[in-house]
Amino acid sequence: NAGVTQTPKFRILKIGQSMTLQCTQDMNHNYMYWYRQDPGMGLKLIYYSVGAGITDKGEVPNGYNVSRSTTEDFPLRLELAAPSQTSVYFCASSFPTGGDTQYFGPGTRLTVL
Amino acid sequence: GDSVTQMEGPVTLSEEAFLTINCTYTATGYPSLFWYVQYPGEGLQLLLKATKADDKGSNKGFEATYRKETTSFHLEKGSVQVSDSAVYFCALIFYGKLTFGQGTILTVHP
Repeated sequence: NAGVTQTPKFRILKIGQSMTLQCTQDMNHNYMYWYRQDPGMGLKLIYYSVGAGITDKGEVPNGYNVSRSTTEDFPLRLELAAPSQTSVYFCASSFPTGGDTQYFGPGTRLTVL
Repeated sequence: GDSVTQMEGPVTLSEEAFLTINCTYTATGYPSLFWYVQYPGEGLQLLLKATKADDKGSNKGFEATYRKETTSFHLEKGSVQVSDSAVYFCALIFYGKLTFGQGTILTVHP
């Protein structure tokens, strides 16, 4: 049981490039989330999904896209990378009850130059 | 909307000192409350949680009590260790939406 895995661990992008951050969970969780963590700040929700085929915007969705074709995978797409997207990105998952614990992946550190 | 406010850091302590990190929240309903810990270079790990008023969450010597009357969930530990050095996040969850505080950096010196 690997939990939540994310790839890559680190990435440097040039302005205007695109990339996909991968996230996979093996706990059969319905809910999955993408957060970004800026230095000295808490985590902000980018997008979330309550199940395969269903996604919705969080607090800071601009510049990102997601898809959820399977229960296990929830990739985050960055189109036209900008320096403001330099951050650490965390994927998380949970069971579908309101108070359930979210389990986090190890994070992807992205730098846009 | 829902929000979480943590005491400003960083907090620096000597080993075996008593730790308190304050956390207060604003919520429209009755959320579950969490403390997450982030060790250097790692993701967030659940430290403890409480799901209703007066519940006490505890783990690894850390404790926090859900106080509805003061809307607080302060984290305490009686004797910190160097290995407790990390960033601590207070958070609340309500209908699946997790809201974090800004985090408190704890450094423990030998």
